[in-house]
Amino acid sequence: DQQVKQNSPSLSVQEGRISILNCDYTNSMFDYFLWYKKYPAEGPTFLISISSIKDKNEDGRFTVFLNKSAKHLSLHIVPSQPGDSAVYFCAASSTDKLIFGTGTRLQVFP
Amino acid sequence: DAGVIQSPRHEVTEMGQEVTLRCKPISGHNSLFWYRQTMMRGLELLIYFNNNVPIDDSGMPEDRFSAKMPNASFSTLKIQPSEPRDSAVYFCASRGMVYNSPLHFGNGTRLTVT
Repeated sequence: DQQVKQNSPSLSVQEGRISILNCDYTNSMFDYFLWYKKYPAEGPTFLISISSIKDKNEDGRFTVFLNKSAKHLSLHIVPSQPGDSAVYFCAASSTDKLIFGTGTRLQVFP
Repeated sequence: DAGVIQSPRHEVTEMGQEVTLRCKPISGHNSLFWYRQTMMRGLELLIYFNNNVPIDDSGMPEDRFSAKMPNASFSTLKIQPSEPRDSAVYFCASRGMVYNSPLHFGNGTRLTVT
């Protein structure tokens, strides 16, 4: 039973445009959400997070939005750059456990 | 800071053999996690430890899998006997004591069971 879902396995975006990656969750007890980025042959690295008491968190080109009523979060990357091409995982936690989604492969082309 | 160190980077073994994956967490981190990455399930939590004590092993798929953390600087994940469906990338991650601090991942072990 997948508690954190990323329904788009891949996304292709032109350089300079906005990338929007989506994530849905089922457990209403989740109170903290994170996005990780993963390059090939490397481990995931932390990108940005948001607490359930907020609906938006911004860090440079990256913004995460949380819609608790819809149990949905999204990651916006503006402007997208070729170096952003990677697999992005969303994750959620309610205790010490961090539950990840299946990932979305983002490709940013020139 | 050397980061989380996993060994080996690649492991190829035959079905039925024992496999041991190793992890050295970041010094000072008190939580350690083992994940498995597959195409179908993404990053799947297998087990995690707090202060060297296993807290939740509900993600361990079968009794063939076991994990230990004999001290704060070392953990192992063992598969005995291994099967082809165990082929995946296995990641170890550690975290400090601050609640909801991000996990720091190692570069993973790619396991292939033939």
